[in-house]
Amino acid sequence: AQSVTQPDIHITVSEGASLELRCNYSYGATPYLFWYVQSPGQGLQLLLKYFSGDTLVQGIKGFEAEFKRSQSSFNLRKPSVHWSDAAEYFCAVGKEYGNKLVFGAGTILRVKS
Amino acid sequence: KAGVTQTPRYLIKTRGQQVTLSCSPISGHRSVSWYQQTPGQGLQFLFEYFSETQRNKGNFPGRFSGRQFSNSRSEMNVSTLELGDSALYLCASSFSPGMNTEAFFGQGTRLTVV
Repeated sequence: AQSVTQPDIHITVSEGASLELRCNYSYGATPYLFWYVQSPGQGLQLLLKYFSGDTLVQGIKGFEAEFKRSQSSFNLRKPSVHWSDAAEYFCAVGKEYGNKLVFGAGTILRVKS
Repeated sequence: KAGVTQTPRYLIKTRGQQVTLSCSPISGHRSVSWYQQTPGQGLQFLFEYFSETQRNKGNFPGRFSGRQFSNSRSEMNVSTLELGDSALYLCASSFSPGMNTEAFFGQGTRLTVV
């Protein structure tokens, strides 16, 4: 069965500092991997996705993620965090067919000025 | 274009009652999925509909049901509400089933069971 682990429940970074959010997945075949962001009281917004090809994926809002098959990881990065990035971030994995996503528990990002 | 619309945004129900939540997908999208989000269990898949047919179902009791209409709008129903059903229910729409099409999420319906 598919599963996603986000080891960090909370992360605090200073504005302007770099960010890395960790995600490990378990899936037998080539996974479809996603990062979503959720602001309080809002739905989920897709930041980026990986299906195949280049293992470094660029997304919106200056985010990128790197797929590492050997480590079963798909970590999210941003070189310089802005206060508006404070939100909860979810890593998710899906199969090729169907729209069932399995989400990690989420990481709450706090940005201090 | 308009996004995914979920109604109502907030709902308070009493234990034992039933509730119906509505989701209007983005125009042209024919696939709708539902998720439950709670602090304890996180985001969990409920079910997925495409062309009025349920294509996939999560691990929820039979009290949770859904349907999709010919215009792709979807409803989910929860009968005999329990306190543990209090959650944010999110709907996602996509053009078709398959991970190569992006799923767009609505803002959700916040259900509180008292």
